[in-house]
Amino acid sequence: ELKVEQNPLFLSMQEGKNYTIYCNYSTTSDRLYWYRQDPGKSLESLFVLLSNGAVKQEGRLMASLDTKARLSTLHITAAVHDLSATYFCAVDMYSGGGADGLTFGKGTHLIIQP
Amino acid sequence: EADIYQTPRYLVIGTGKKITLECSQTMGHDKMYWYQQDPGMELHLIHYSYGVNSTEKGDLSSESTVSRIRTEHFPLTLESARPSHTSQYLCASSEWGVYTDTQYFGPGTRLTVL
Repeated sequence: ELKVEQNPLFLSMQEGKNYTIYCNYSTTSDRLYWYRQDPGKSLESLFVLLSNGAVKQEGRLMASLDTKARLSTLHITAAVHDLSATYFCAVDMYSGGGADGLTFGKGTHLIIQP
Repeated sequence: EADIYQTPRYLVIGTGKKITLECSQTMGHDKMYWYQQDPGMELHLIHYSYGVNSTEKGDLSSESTVSRIRTEHFPLTLESARPSHTSQYLCASSEWGVYTDTQYFGPGTRLTVL
């Protein structure tokens, strides 16, 4: 059974600071996704990481993937209040041999304070 | 970016009622999914489809059923709603691709069963 673990689950940080969210998964997969969810809203796709060593950046967010360590990170640089949201990582279950679709982590609830 | 629609957005009904949650996408995506998400929690896959006349159950057991008669339409039905069905239901779709399988999510239906 594919398991996806995120940490931390809750994070309160100040504007201007840097921080990293970690996503570990339990079985072989080379496709990992990061999504953002605002309260009461749906999910917005942030990054798709398709191979070992992949790194993608968009604004103050940068995501990377290490398939050998089964680890992805989402790094926030010089945080601003608008980045407050819940961030989910998800792994493609097809690569894990199970049912199709994505397995999600529990999400990291990020609050950025002025 | 995919256009994917869900109706209703909010639904409050009594126990024992039959309900259908609608999901439509206009991008011609073959693959569609239903996820269930309790507030502040991770998403769980309950149904998916590879295309017309294809439906599969996801990892989370659900009393709901789905159908896929047209490519663009993937409705979810509960024959007899119960309070335990109270949750948010998110529909998603994706292309059938080897290198990317980004799922695009609809706005969700927030269901409350009294």
